[in-house]
Amino acid sequence: EAQVTQNPRYLITVTGKKLTVTCSQNMNHEYMSWYRQDPGLGLRQIYYSMNVEVTDKGDVPEGYKVSRKEKRNFPLILESPSPNQTSLYFCASSLNPSGGIYNEQFFGPGTRLTVL
Amino acid sequence: AQSVTQLGSHVSVSEGALVLLRCNYSSSVPPYLFWYVQYPNQGLQLLLKYTSAATLVKGINGFEAEFKKSETSFHLTKPSAHMSDAAEYFCAVSATGTASKLTFGTGTRLQVTL
Repeated sequence: EAQVTQNPRYLITVTGKKLTVTCSQNMNHEYMSWYRQDPGLGLRQIYYSMNVEVTDKGDVPEGYKVSRKEKRNFPLILESPSPNQTSLYFCASSLNPSGGIYNEQFFGPGTRLTVL
Repeated sequence: AQSVTQLGSHVSVSEGALVLLRCNYSSSVPPYLFWYVQYPNQGLQLLLKYTSAATLVKGINGFEAEFKKSETSFHLTKPSAHMSDAAEYFCAVSATGTASKLTFGTGTRLQVTL
């Protein structure tokens, strides 16, 4: 089944304790992205990757890191989480990031993170 | 630059009534426009998309949206609401040529009552 998976789905942690949220897709997609969803703010892009070893900042990158060593994986790293990073996080992927042809973004199920 | 404004964070309709969720966009280049739906505790699912073909776009579950350039709008409608339509709906815009950079609106939660 074609899908985007995220782990963990739920995570409660404490301020300053490094964590990684994994994202994997099995559709051979080139483009991957991370979003955070907060009430009243919709989804905001954190980082995105156009292909392996190519990443760039989205609209709210502060406090986050990403890496894209393999095409299928795009982990989100919080080196020193803070309470304002408590949010619902979504990973997404799509086939081709450019060329004037739109390719649908497929979303993972989400990771609910609470930072105490 | 691109942005989306969704009017009304909460909309309540009776089952069988018309659903109208409003979306206005701003884009410096011709846009791609989308509606996504999020059911409780789930990820986002694409309802429909406008990519410069027909201005009236039909999506899944009986939803449709009309692109109106003069009004910079892309409102989502469904003639008859069903209880299963209760969810949060997001409008999103992407500039052509950067097809994967999505900018989302703040969402509209649709409640369907008996």
